[in-house]
Amino acid sequence: AQKITQTQPGMFVQEKEAVTLDCTYDTSDQSYGLFWYKQPSSGEMIFLIYQGSYDEQNATEGRYSLNFQKARKSANLVISASQLGDSAMYFCAMRERRGGANSKLTFGKGITLSVRP
Amino acid sequence: ETGVTQTPRHLVMGMTNKKSLKCEQHLGHNAMYWYKQSAKKPLELMFVYSLEERVENNSVPSRFSPECPNSSHLFLHLHTLQPEDSALYLCASSHLEDLTQIPYGYTFGSGTRLTVV
Repeated sequence: AQKITQTQPGMFVQEKEAVTLDCTYDTSDQSYGLFWYKQPSSGEMIFLIYQGSYDEQNATEGRYSLNFQKARKSANLVISASQLGDSAMYFCAMRERRGGANSKLTFGKGITLSVRP
Repeated sequence: ETGVTQTPRHLVMGMTNKKSLKCEQHLGHNAMYWYKQSAKKPLELMFVYSLEERVENNSVPSRFSPECPNSSHLFLHLHTLQPEDSALYLCASSHLEDLTQIPYGYTFGSGTRLTVV
């Protein structure tokens, strides 16, 4: 069974500084995808970044990067140069690569990030 | 706009009312999902539709009734709801076969914030 763990209850970061949001996962599958989503107070789930389990390079998307440590089963999100608009809930999620209707996106509980001016 | 549109954005209904939530996508995806997000709880997958066929129903009470008339539309019919059903209901869509399709994983709508009084 898949499991995503996000244990940080809430994070605070000063504007323009970097912050790391932790995510660990548990799966018996060799092939899977890891995702981070941002959910502002409006409710929409916004896709941020994707990492495939066989990708050798850590994924990067603008100010977002994913610190992927496969042996430790961790996929931490790093946000550089934090902005006030980064204040939101952040969810880590995982899906088996082979797809199909049984391949569900499993979410962690989420982490609240607050950026201070 | 993500390409997945949910209406209405907000809904207040009494316990004896009947209402429907609507989700529409024109991304060419062939799977659609309903999620429930309650305060301080993880996202709960309610229903999965694959190629317009319901393939998963995660022990959801019968007062929630999904309908998928075609690959672009998904409904959630509500009747005789309870106050504990108040939550954000998120619709998502995805490709079944290939996780590397952009956007990766699922594309979410903005959600319907439901309040049962």
